[in-house]
Amino acid sequence: EVQLVESGGGLEKPGGSLRLSCAASGFSISKAWVTWVRQAPGKGLEWVGRIKSKTDGGTIDYAAPVKGRFTISRDDSKNTLYLQMNSLKTEDTAVYYCATGAKVVGAFDLWGQGAMVSVSP
Amino acid sequence: DIVMTQTPLSSLVTLGQPASISCRSSQSLVHSDGNTYLSWLQQRPGQPPRLLIYKISNRFSGVPDRFSGSGAGTDFTLKISRVEAEDVGVYYCMQAKEFPLTFGGGTKVEIK
Repeated sequence: EVQLVESGGGLEKPGGSLRLSCAASGFSISKAWVTWVRQAPGKGLEWVGRIKSKTDGGTIDYAAPVKGRFTISRDDSKNTLYLQMNSLKTEDTAVYYCATGAKVVGAFDLWGQGAMVSVSP
Repeated sequence: DIVMTQTPLSSLVTLGQPASISCRSSQSLVHSDGNTYLSWLQQRPGQPPRLLIYKISNRFSGVPDRFSGSGAGTDFTLKISRVEAEDVGVYYCMQAKEFPLTFGGGTKVEIK
């Protein structure tokens, strides 16, 4: 089955760090551009950042609220993407989804189930 | 940043009746490659988002044909021809013309 599975969420204090993983199964993630999207409790969807495939340059873009604090990376040999979150703030509390356009361009047709990150004193 | 504005915020619909959701962008979503990267997502309670429509009007694989998308430029619409119980959830439009990608605020569809 083609799927993305996030892991690594949890509770952290402000200023702390967490690393989320997004493991792909059923397909090779090496050619995929993968995006992270988050959703604060009871709120809408917010784009966090995106990493291109290495063959397309591996460019990474970030949303302004996380730029300089979050880092997206990939290990195609492990078929896994990562979201390193440093200097966490309470407003980073959200469910974090990884997503990709497996069959379409310009949209996300494959989403993980999400990983909850809670930042609280 | 491109602002995506959805209306209504919520919609109470009788089973079997139609529903319509509007999405307006603060600028044209026509990409330099000629495509308009406007998509619609459905999020059922407790679930991740699910792609319904991409590039304005293309229904994704497995999406029932009661869902349709239309529009151009800055104004877009998602229509459900006959609402079923499984359509309950929040619907989002999303633009992928440029970064940062942005989403509409969501429209909650409930059954009357």
